Amino acid sequence: DGGITQSPKYLFRKEGQNVTLSCEQNLNHDAMYWYRQDPGQGLRLIYYSQIVNDFQKGDIAEGYSVSREKKESFPLTVTSAQKNPTAFYLCASSVPAGAAFFGQGTRLTVV
Amino acid sequence: QQPVQSPQAVILREGEDAVINCSSSKALYSVHWYRQKHGEAPVFLMILLKGGEQKGHEKISASFNEKKQQSSLYLTASQLSYSGTYFCGTNWQSGGGADGLTFGKGTHLIIQP
Repeated sequence: DGGITQSPKYLFRKEGQNVTLSCEQNLNHDAMYWYRQDPGQGLRLIYYSQIVNDFQKGDIAEGYSVSREKKESFPLTVTSAQKNPTAFYLCASSVPAGAAFFGQGTRLTVV
Repeated sequence: QQPVQSPQAVILREGEDAVINCSSSKALYSVHWYRQKHGEAPVFLMILLKGGEQKGHEKISASFNEKKQQSSLYLTASQLSYSGTYFCGTNWQSGGGADGLTFGKGTHLIIQP
């Protein structure tokens, strides 16, 4: 079945630690995105990538980093510079100007 | 700039109709509508493109008023399964449209039996 897979579903981070969230898609989509969701805030764009080896900052990129070495994969690293990382993280992919298909999300908590 | 959704929340009885609005202060190229159940991923409902083209796959209708930079989502004869949070996502650039969406804060819809 085609789809987009995020892992892990739950992740706990200690203060000062970097963590990486995985996102894999087998929909053959060129574009991939990372969004952060906080209660009452909707979804906010962190990074997006239109093609392999290229990515752009979204509205709230500070404290995050990404890579796009393969078309299928778009991992997100939450660095220690992100002071308030507790949130629900959603990865999505699409064809240009098409519907975005979302993964099931990763819930990150700082402990 | 984040689009503004209204109302913030609505409670309906099963079978009633609802309208959710999404307004932008900038010229829109496309508007996307998604529904999210609590703790789950958003699910695509509809895309409306500048010029009037509409793409969707559920029995839900929508409109796109280019003059007002506003889109409305129409849910008729609501079912219990329609409950959730509805988000509009806007895109302001033409040609490509792969630069990510800016989402509104959402409209919470509760359908009661």
